[in-house]
Amino acid sequence: DAGVIQSPRHEVTEMGQEVTLRCKPISGHNSLFWYRQTMMRGLELLIYFNNNVPIDDSGMPEDRFSAKMPNASFSTLKIQPSEPRDSAVYFCASSFGRRVGSNEQFFGPGTRLTVL
Amino acid sequence: GQQVMQIPQYQHVQEGEDFTTYCNSSTTLSNIQWYKQRPGGHPVFLIQLVKSGEVKKQKRLTFQFGEAKKNSSLHITATQTTDVGTYFCAGGGTYKYIFGTGTRLKVLA
Repeated sequence: DAGVIQSPRHEVTEMGQEVTLRCKPISGHNSLFWYRQTMMRGLELLIYFNNNVPIDDSGMPEDRFSAKMPNASFSTLKIQPSEPRDSAVYFCASSFGRRVGSNEQFFGPGTRLTVL
Repeated sequence: GQQVMQIPQYQHVQEGEDFTTYCNSSTTLSNIQWYKQRPGGHPVFLIQLVKSGEVKKQKRLTFQFGEAKKNSSLHITATQTTDVGTYFCAGGGTYKYIFGTGTRLKVLA
C-alpha cells in the first residue's frame, strides 16, 4: 500500500501567489483531514471531510484558504493569495471508520510551504 | 473551545533513563490516541485508549488513560536513541481529534 500521497513535497512561492496542495488518501478510507504544523502553533486541524463532504472547516484560518474533495481519491487545499505567515508544513491524513473521532489517522509525508 | 495540553514541552534524557509525558484535556474525551513524529517526519500512530483507567503496553512504552477520561500519560522505560522525536496525544471527541502541544524528546547517548 502506498500510504497517503501528498504533492508537492516542497513549495517555495512569493507572497500573493496562489498555492495548491494535493492529497491522495489511502484507498478505501472515508475520512480526510488537512493539518498545518508550525513551531508556534503546533499541529492544527484545518478541515476534514467524511465521505467527500466537508464536515468541519472551523480551523481554516480565513477566506484565503479553501479545500475541496471532488472524489474519494483526491483532495486539494488552496491558498489564494498566499502570505509569509502561511509558511508551514501541511499534512494530509486519512482514516477509515464509522465515527470520525475514533479511528487511527494515517498521515502523508507533508508539504513544506515557504512563502517569501 | 476544547484544548489539549502536554507537559513537558521538551525533555532531554540520558540513554537508559525513563521518560514520561502528560496530556491534559479541558473536556472529557471519548478516547485518546498517541502519535510519534520523528524529526523531519510525519506523525505515526502508536495506540488508542478508550476505557476509563485503561493501561496498555507496547514493549518499553506504557500508556494510561485517566479515570475521568481527561488526562493520559506515556511512559518510556530505559530510553534508547531510537525514541527521539515528538510525542503527541490526540483527544478524541464526537467528530474529530484535537492534537496536544507535543513533547519533544532528545536522548543523549
